[in-house]
Amino acid sequence: DVKVTQSSRYLVKRTGEKVFLECVQDMDHENMFWYRQDPGLGLRLIYFSYDVKMKEKGDIPEGYSVSREKKERFSLILESASTNQTSMYLCASSSPTGELFFGEGSRLTVL
Amino acid sequence: GENVEQHPSTLSVQEGDSAVIKCTYSDSASNYFPWYKQELGKGPQLIIDIRSNVGEKKDQRIAVTLNKTAKHFSLHITETQPEDSAVYFCAATSGSARQLTFGSGTQLTVLP
Repeated sequence: DVKVTQSSRYLVKRTGEKVFLECVQDMDHENMFWYRQDPGLGLRLIYFSYDVKMKEKGDIPEGYSVSREKKERFSLILESASTNQTSMYLCASSSPTGELFFGEGSRLTVL
Repeated sequence: GENVEQHPSTLSVQEGDSAVIKCTYSDSASNYFPWYKQELGKGPQLIIDIRSNVGEKKDQRIAVTLNKTAKHFSLHITETQPEDSAVYFCAATSGSARQLTFGSGTQLTVLP
């Protein structure tokens, strides 16, 4: 089975702190994604990557950056966390047919 | 870009009844329409998908229909069971784009 693992299920950070969310997939997928999930807004794409060291902005990239140094790992970075970044963050990788496989999510609270 | 609207936002049905969730999309070039189910505390999981060369697809109690002319697609769940209770998301993507645009989600509750 495909497994997408997010390093932290729950995080609490303070405004201005730097936050790293790590994601690892074990199926050698080329494409990886970071989504943000908020009630009533569905899943919104933050950033995605088609290859190592490659990244593209999604619909809501402001305040975020990403890193893909290895094929299996895709990190989301909040350079200076703000309260409006309190949310559920979902990492995913996609198969060649386009099916997304999600991790279990990282719930971030910024105080 | 693509815009996907999903209705209703909440849906309650009696066990054994059918449930229908509807989505509309804006990009006429979209050609892939998956549905994801998210159980409490878990990430979304694909339950069924349809491509634009097909009008309907079934998998046991779940079916998806697609109307390309009207730009809408629907999820149908028959003989609902309590374990069908979850949040359901529709999504769409075009051939030129490799990322999915999701609807806002439907909280389905199946009442015993």
